[in-house]
Amino acid sequence: KQEVTQIPAALSVPEGENLVLNCSFTDSAIYNLQWFRQDPGKGLTSLLLIQSSQREQTSGRLNASLDKSSGRSTLYIAASQPGDSATYLCPLGARFGAGTRLTVKP
Amino acid sequence: NAGVTQTPKFQVLKTGQSMTLQCAQDMNHNSMYWYRQDPGMGLRLIYYSASEGTTDKGEVPNGYNVSRLNKREFSLRLESAAPSQTSVYFCAYGRSSGANVLTFGAGSRLTVL
Repeated sequence: KQEVTQIPAALSVPEGENLVLNCSFTDSAIYNLQWFRQDPGKGLTSLLLIQSSQREQTSGRLNASLDKSSGRSTLYIAASQPGDSATYLCPLGARFGAGTRLTVKP
Repeated sequence: NAGVTQTPKFQVLKTGQSMTLQCAQDMNHNSMYWYRQDPGMGLRLIYYSASEGTTDKGEVPNGYNVSRLNKREFSLRLESAAPSQTSVYFCAYGRSSGANVLTFGAGSRLTVL
């Protein structure tokens, strides 16, 4: 059974900080890897997709990397803003972990 | 949430009533999924369909049935709703090419009294 573990479960930081969210998998047979954000009471928005031939992907202040050998992915958020406050999710295939709930304080 | 339409968006049921949640994609992809999300928790897979005419159980299938009517539509049915099925339900499709890249609908909020 594939398991997804996200660390930390919750994170609260002041605005402007750089931060790292972690995702680890029990199954290292990873193909594509997506990072999503979910705002409270809303649906899921895809942020970044690391395809099987890639090691990382960048979009604006976000950078996601994937290490298949260790079964880990990290999401780096630079210069965090209050608008980044959300839950961040990194499913393995179709299976989700609990996510990391991020709060960025003004 | 372009590409995935879920109906209804909100529904209130009484215990024992039945209902069907509808999901339709406009991208002609093979894989479709139904999830539930309880307050403060992650998404749990109920059922999925790898292709038209096939369905498989996910993590929490009890109390639900699904139908993959055609390539575009994947419905979730509650035959006898229970308060424990109060949740937000999300439908998604997955692009092929090695493994799925998921696109989600906006969700259907179901309350069972």
